[in-house]
Amino acid sequence: ETGVTQTPRHLVMGMTNKKSLKCEQHLGHNAMYWYKQSAKKPLELMFVYSLEERVENNSVPSRFSPECPNSSHLFLHLHTLQPEDSALYLCASSRRLVITDTQYFGPGTRLTVL
Amino acid sequence: GDSVTQMEGPVTLSEEAFLTINCTYTATGYPSLFWYVQYPGEGLQLLLKATKADDKGSNKGFEATYRKETTSFHLEKGSVQVSDSAVYFCALSIGSSNTGKLIFGQGTTLQVKP
Repeated sequence: ETGVTQTPRHLVMGMTNKKSLKCEQHLGHNAMYWYKQSAKKPLELMFVYSLEERVENNSVPSRFSPECPNSSHLFLHLHTLQPEDSALYLCASSRRLVITDTQYFGPGTRLTVL
Repeated sequence: GDSVTQMEGPVTLSEEAFLTINCTYTATGYPSLFWYVQYPGEGLQLLLKATKADDKGSNKGFEATYRKETTSFHLEKGSVQVSDSAVYFCALSIGSSNTGKLIFGQGTTLQVKP
């Protein structure tokens, strides 16, 4: 699916930097998600938004701060990250926030924290 | 808690061989079940899904049947191709009618050799 885009595709940052990841969906969906994919671990759900309201925060440290200004855009603001935060961060969207609706994923942002 | 268990990889097959990737789940209630595929350097793509017991999902020659009695959703393909080399994720979606939380297995890497 090319309906979910993520920028940047690759990001290298120091532990004291502040950066943001951007996700945009062109599918007219109402729900958006952030996932973290680390080596050797299952995908971890981080945040869920429905109609621009956060409905789930899956015990994510406060150094990750999501923002959903409208139903098409989702951001993940990063500050004072740790090297163990290095991972592939995936954004997804679905038409509604129901268990039968398919989630469509973007290509991810490969984050490296030095 | 809810969880998904996949067979460990990597799975290495010759072209035109039969593929089975096992997936079993633990869930309260009635989950929807999904198989996602991740090609190198890309995000996850939905391969197939089933939303109720005895449903069979199919796509691109892949099939999986939702077996409630054995809590399984094994992925099969009769004749694999080199282009099927990827990581395959089994996932379930569970929750109330207004949640879309996906729980993933750890992924199984498939390598198909010519």
